[in-house]
Amino acid sequence: QVQLQQWGAGLLKPSETLSLTCAVYGGSFSGYYWSWIRQSPGKGLEWIGEINHSGGTNYNPSLKSRVTISVDTSKNQFSLKLSSVTAVDTSVYYCARGSWYRSPPNYFYYYMDVWGKGTTVTVSS
Amino acid sequence: SSELTQDPAVSVALGQTVRITCQGDSLRNYYASWYQQKPGQAPLLVIYGKNNRPSGIPDRFSGSSSGNTASLTITGAQAEDEADYYCNSRDSSDNRVLFDGGTKLTVL
Repeated sequence: QVQLQQWGAGLLKPSETLSLTCAVYGGSFSGYYWSWIRQSPGKGLEWIGEINHSGGTNYNPSLKSRVTISVDTSKNQFSLKLSSVTAVDTSVYYCARGSWYRSPPNYFYYYMDVWGKGTTVTVSS
Repeated sequence: SSELTQDPAVSVALGQTVRITCQGDSLRNYYASWYQQKPGQAPLLVIYGKNNRPSGIPDRFSGSSSGNTASLTITGAQAEDEADYYCNSRDSSDNRVLFDGGTKLTVL
């Protein structure tokens, strides 16, 4: 059974860079899209971005200027860096495995079937 | 619009049927996926694709879609179904992953 284990610093000061890593255990790394999602206190889910096994990325345009997602296939890990954090970046951050494929003739599937437990990140001076 | 919208809150009597809907242009090309989230927990996939349930998800959960609207139906809601529910798809134009704002389901 695939599991995602995530870790990283939980307390940051404004202007610092958030850094989180997610390791994939028990399954293949290739063929999937590995995402970071965050959830501010009491709010909904916000997609940050994703990476595939070959390093191809997609980012949320609203965060793109501050986000870098990278992959280390030798360790089955992917990482998130979010620069210049402020209090609005205080959230629970999740990593997740996404499946994305076409269902002919005209539809697509996309879903996230495995999630990490989440890391609480607080930005405070 | 490339956004997804759904009702912020829905309630259902114990044992009754409830439908949660999600609307957005992306749903004309993408099957919605649906997630259940309970307080303090990560989201859990409950429906994906045309109407597929991951292993372990009760068969009282089902999904459907028509045009720009996707629906999650819980037939015979149980107390443990009380949670926030999110729908999810992608924007066909820029490949963004989309989430709606979530629906808080209360089981009375």
